[in-house]
Amino acid sequence: QVQLKESGPGLVQPSQTLSLTCTVSGFSLTSYTVSWVRQPPGKGLEWIGAIWSGGSTDYNSALKSRLSISRDTSKSQVLLKMNSLQTEDTAIYFCTVLREDYWGQGVMVTVSS
Amino acid sequence: DVVLTQTPVSLSVTLGDQASISCRSSQSLEYSDGYTYLEWYLQKPGQSPQLLIYGVSNRFSGVPDRFIGSGSGTDFTLKISRVEPEDLGVYYCFQATHDPPTFGSGTKLEIK
Repeated sequence: QVQLKESGPGLVQPSQTLSLTCTVSGFSLTSYTVSWVRQPPGKGLEWIGAIWSGGSTDYNSALKSRLSISRDTSKSQVLLKMNSLQTEDTAIYFCTVLREDYWGQGVMVTVSS
Repeated sequence: DVVLTQTPVSLSVTLGDQASISCRSSQSLEYSDGYTYLEWYLQKPGQSPQLLIYGVSNRFSGVPDRFIGSGSGTDFTLKISRVEPEDLGVYYCFQATHDPPTFGSGTKLEIK
């Protein structure tokens, strides 16, 4: 059974770094591309970035300078790090395998002092 | 980046009627391999999005045949015939032809 589960701090201070983990089960990270998608409260979806099955990464051009996606295949985890957080980064963050319609339930991140 | 413009922003439909959503792209979504990486997602209230249509017109596993995707180039449409209560939510088009992938702004379907 395929599962994706996001975890991380619910509250981050402005200018600090966000670290999120997506732990997957039921499939191998070397077989599928895992993407991160976020959704500010009451707003639409935004593709943030992805790590391909081969390990290369791709980022939203607007976030590229602040973003890093990596993985630990031994732990079946995909890691997202975003620095210099601002209030507009407040959102639900989802990890997903888009083409297979595998989604986590999302984790709410609030940027506030 | 490719901009996907969805219309209408919201849609109120009587149960059993048809709904139609348009997605227009700022660039052609046909890739050099001939494939068009245009997908449709539905996000029901309080849930993660779910894939309905991929490759413009292919229904994902388990998606009812009431959902019909069509279009080419820069103009795409999702039609929902015989709208049912479980169809309410926000519909998003999504393109992965051009880097970075982008979502449309969403269309909220409400039931009258």
